[in-house]
Amino acid sequence: GENVEQHPSTLSVQEGDSAVIKCTYSDSASNYFPWYKQELGKGPQLIIDIRSNVGEKKDQRIAVTLNKTAKHFSLHITETQPEDSAVYFCADGGRTSYGKLTFGQGTILTVHP
Amino acid sequence: DTAVSQTPKYLVTQMGNDKSIKCEQNLGHDTMYWYKQDSKKFLKIMFSYNNKELIINETVPNRFSPKSPDKAHLNLHINSLELGDSAVYFCASSQARTGMNTEAFFGQGTRLTVV
Repeated sequence: GENVEQHPSTLSVQEGDSAVIKCTYSDSASNYFPWYKQELGKGPQLIIDIRSNVGEKKDQRIAVTLNKTAKHFSLHITETQPEDSAVYFCADGGRTSYGKLTFGQGTILTVHP
Repeated sequence: DTAVSQTPKYLVTQMGNDKSIKCEQNLGHDTMYWYKQDSKKFLKIMFSYNNKELIINETVPNRFSPKSPDKAHLNLHINSLELGDSAVYFCASSQARTGMNTEAFFGQGTRLTVV
């Protein structure tokens, strides 16, 4: 079955620094890779996603890169702010119309002012 | 308006009881899910329904029985609750598109505590 490894499990940065979270996946047929942010007491919320036909996608301070050959993808947050502090999850979205999301273990990001 | 809403937000109950969690989405999506988040924050799929039809049942004990009366609702009934069922349960929905997965919208979660 699908497996997603996410690192690091915790990440502490100073405000204004960049943060990078990395994930690897096992199913080479997967074609959808979302990233979710979960704030305390709330449900996960999509912040960016990427499909296997592109290698990189940006949305303001957030970017995701995908290396299909190596089966890994990364989240990059630039100019971090205290409100970026949350738990971040990568996921393997499979390749079907209503496939499940297989999540990584999560990364607790803390941005110190 | 809340896109995916779950009730109740908190649920404390004794071992052996039967309880239900309700979920409704107003996004017009045709696919709904239940995910379980354990104490270590690990999120795992339990069930998915597309147009009221069960698509995924991820080896969940049969004490858990989902019910989808229509596309906008997916409820979760749990029989004979056990201590290990304590977790946060998330409902989610998405719109199926041929050959591709799409963004899943999550509810706020239901924190279930079995004592």
